[in-house]
Amino acid sequence: DGGITQSPKYLFRKEGQNVTLSCEQNLNHDAMYWYRQDPGQGLRLIYYSQIVNDFQKGDIAEGYSVSREKKESFPLTVTSAQKNPTAFYLCASSIDQAGQNQPQHFGDGTRLSIL
Amino acid sequence: GNSVTQMEGPVTLSEEAFLTINCTYTATGYPSLFWYVQYPGEGLQLLLKATKADDKGSNKGFEATYRKETTSFHLEKGSVQVSDSAVYFCALATTGTASKLTFGTGTRLQVTL
Repeated sequence: DGGITQSPKYLFRKEGQNVTLSCEQNLNHDAMYWYRQDPGQGLRLIYYSQIVNDFQKGDIAEGYSVSREKKESFPLTVTSAQKNPTAFYLCASSIDQAGQNQPQHFGDGTRLSIL
Repeated sequence: GNSVTQMEGPVTLSEEAFLTINCTYTATGYPSLFWYVQYPGEGLQLLLKATKADDKGSNKGFEATYRKETTSFHLEKGSVQVSDSAVYFCALATTGTASKLTFGTGTRLQVTL
């Protein structure tokens, strides 16, 4: 079945350490997104990418970095500059069709905690 | 800028009760509107959508009508089940080359027997 796979499901980070969250999709979607979800809050956009080798900052990009070397993959690195990284991270993808707002499909998320 | 406001939760209902979760929005242009559902420990699933004024989205007994005059997209279900217990998110996307979503804060629904 087509879908989005995020790994790992749970991740622990030590102070001063960078960690990378994986997101892979086999839906042949052009656009991919990373969101952060905190308790009692909606989702906030970290980064998004509409095409391979291109990505844009979202609303809360500071302390995060991404790459988009392949259409299927959009890994997110949480750097040591992100002072409050504990959260639930969700990856999503969608068809990127100009003038049309296509629904996004989500992975099951990665829960990141600080040791 | 764009924003979505949802009613505060949690909403607690008995099985077979009628559900309404209010959602209003502020947006430039003519947004598309979405309801997503999140079950514990999982990502979001698209529940329904509407792309223009007076459109009604429906799925699994849930409905929502795009009301441009009141800038609202309230979610309704005539008879809820215990399995509907989840967090529901209202979201919008404005027309562009990327379907960037703006989310509400979510409303937790708890259905009891």
